[in-house]
Amino acid sequence: AAGVIQSPRHLIKEKRETATLKCYPIPRHDTVYWYQQGPGQDPQFLISFYEKMQSDKGSIPDRFSAQQFSDYHSELNMSSLELGDSALYFCASSTRDGYYNEQFFGPGTRLTVL
Amino acid sequence: GDSVTQMEGPVTLSEEAFLTINCTYTATGYPSLFWYVQYPGEGLQLLLKATKADDKGSNKGFEATYRKETTSFHLEKGSVQVSDSAVYFCASSNTGFQKLVFGTGTRLLVSP
Repeated sequence: AAGVIQSPRHLIKEKRETATLKCYPIPRHDTVYWYQQGPGQDPQFLISFYEKMQSDKGSIPDRFSAQQFSDYHSELNMSSLELGDSALYFCASSTRDGYYNEQFFGPGTRLTVL
Repeated sequence: GDSVTQMEGPVTLSEEAFLTINCTYTATGYPSLFWYVQYPGEGLQLLLKATKADDKGSNKGFEATYRKETTSFHLEKGSVQVSDSAVYFCASSNTGFQKLVFGTGTRLLVSP
């Protein structure tokens, strides 16, 4: 079965650089969520999109922005990177056809800021 | 706001031992509850879920029952294996397809 695809899997950037993370949801899933997991931490919700519109916003820094495109894939843009942005970034997708919110997670993008 | 609290780890067990990882939640309304597992270097996999009070989720020998009266969703397994070594996250999500709120994770280490 198709899963959530994230690219790249690993990314190394310098401070103050920009990074773009991509997420391709499971086919026919209409909702995308982004989470950030710091070393040894639990995943923290950043932002979500439903039908290409932002549906919820969490602890996402103003330096970050995201969008969902017409093919439902999503991109997380991160500017002025800081050392503290080093983390594992997960994308998850779900469909509102179901009764409950079962989110399927991608393998994550590990971002290292030097 | 909503929150999930789970027991700190690591939990160290011998193979075939009984496992319990405690999880309690606070939420407005009636959330769905989940257990996710994360193996080293990998993403989050849904282990089991329960969507209403008294529901029991089960998968791969793991079980958890949604207890509204104690706001708990404890994870149990009767006989753990070395391959169960991973980090386990309890999570909740309110209705309306909202974000998942995770607990801090519990690392399980199973030795032969």
